[in-house]
Amino acid sequence: QVQLQESGPGLVKPSQTLSLTCTVSGGSISSGIYFWSWIRQPAGKGLQWIGRIYTSGSTNYNPSLKSRVTISVDTSKNQFSLKLTSVTAADTAVYYCASQSLGEGTLDYWGQGTLITVSS
Amino acid sequence: DIQMTQSPSSLSASVGDRVTITCQASQDIHNYLNWYQQKPGKAPKVLIYDASNLETGVPSRFSGSGSGTDFTFTISSLQPEDIAIYYCQQYDNLSLTFGGGTKVEIK
Repeated sequence: QVQLQESGPGLVKPSQTLSLTCTVSGGSISSGIYFWSWIRQPAGKGLQWIGRIYTSGSTNYNPSLKSRVTISVDTSKNQFSLKLTSVTAADTAVYYCASQSLGEGTLDYWGQGTLITVSS
Repeated sequence: DIQMTQSPSSLSASVGDRVTITCQASQDIHNYLNWYQQKPGKAPKVLIYDASNLETGVPSRFSGSGSGTDFTFTISSLQPEDIAIYYCQQYDNLSLTFGGGTKVEIK
């Protein structure tokens, strides 16, 4: 069973860059059967898809965040990463990494989520 | 990009009641629509995929229907453990979009 675990600093200052890494275990990130996605959820609010990457390095991003987001993959470490630049308080949220099935488009496996707070 | 409008935003029902949630897409998404359940402090869990297919291990009281732009999610007999927020999610070859969520409570 695939397991995912987010890691990164819990606190980021305004205008700085948020960096998170997702470590995949129980399966290879190079398997080719998943997209690897980032989703976030502000406290008490709904889910927002941030973007995804395929093992080839091909990416898709949410148009509302595209100018600030970069997702990359490191197959040698079985990890993928998120960078979000110029953060503001509006970027405070629980950030999840997840695997998206190529077939049904379902987000099958999720990390536990990590709270990122943007504050000085 | 495709927008998903989910309603109601919250509902309160009695144990044993039938509960229905709707999700409308801003354009035809065929049957590329999934439903999730999220309990407090937990990541979402897939219940229904491709509009009407029950994920393995999910109780049969959950069901989904629809195609094109209009979709429905039903709990045939609400149970106390079904208290959660439910989300629809569309997918296409470029992106994912979630509905705003429906909070289901026991009356």
